[in-house]
Amino acid sequence: AQSVTQLGSHVSVSEGALVLLRCNYSSSVPPYLFWYVQYPNQGLQLLLKYTSAATLVKGINGFEAEFKKSETSFHLTKPSAHMSDAAEYFCAVSDDGATNKLIFGTGTLLAVQP
Amino acid sequence: GAVVSQHPSRVICKSGTSVKIECRSLDFQATTMFWYRQFPKQSLMLMATSNEGSKATYEQGVEKDKFLINHASLTLSTLTVTSAHPEDSSFYICSAERPGIGYGYTFGSGTRLTVV
Repeated sequence: AQSVTQLGSHVSVSEGALVLLRCNYSSSVPPYLFWYVQYPNQGLQLLLKYTSAATLVKGINGFEAEFKKSETSFHLTKPSAHMSDAAEYFCAVSDDGATNKLIFGTGTLLAVQP
Repeated sequence: GAVVSQHPSRVICKSGTSVKIECRSLDFQATTMFWYRQFPKQSLMLMATSNEGSKATYEQGVEKDKFLINHASLTLSTLTVTSAHPEDSSFYICSAERPGIGYGYTFGSGTRLTVV
């Protein structure tokens, strides 16, 4: 079964600094990969998704992620953090069965310091 | 476009009562909707997959008789927590799959259930 690992449950950066949130998946077949953002007491908003097209995926709010098959990774980056980026970020992978389910990572809480 | 409305956003109920949560796709038809449960500071755990006009598919360990799911139309799925207990207190989130878009999910804003 598919699984996804997010290293670092908490990440803190200074405003204007690089944001790097890590995600590794387990699959012998390249899956679909997603990054979602969740603000307190709200649902999830899609930042970007990889669907076997370009390996560098650009998303909303200046975020991007690169699919690296050799490293089974899909890390999320943003060159310059903004205070409004403070939120919980979830990496997700498509199920490798016959369903269209998503498997979510445990999440990374991003704090942005002024 | 692609808006999913989830209602109510917060609900407090007494132990032993039932609570219904609605998930509506406002501008598209969703043959498949998903219900998740999220514990504080944890990830989303899929509870069940709801298919319009058929029975929901529950994940292992989820009590079907406790968490009743109905997907009676292409725009509405409901989750009813029956005989709620304090341990059912959680954040419940639905998502709807937009047809024609691979893994095109739109999430509702969630429902905070507190059972007292």
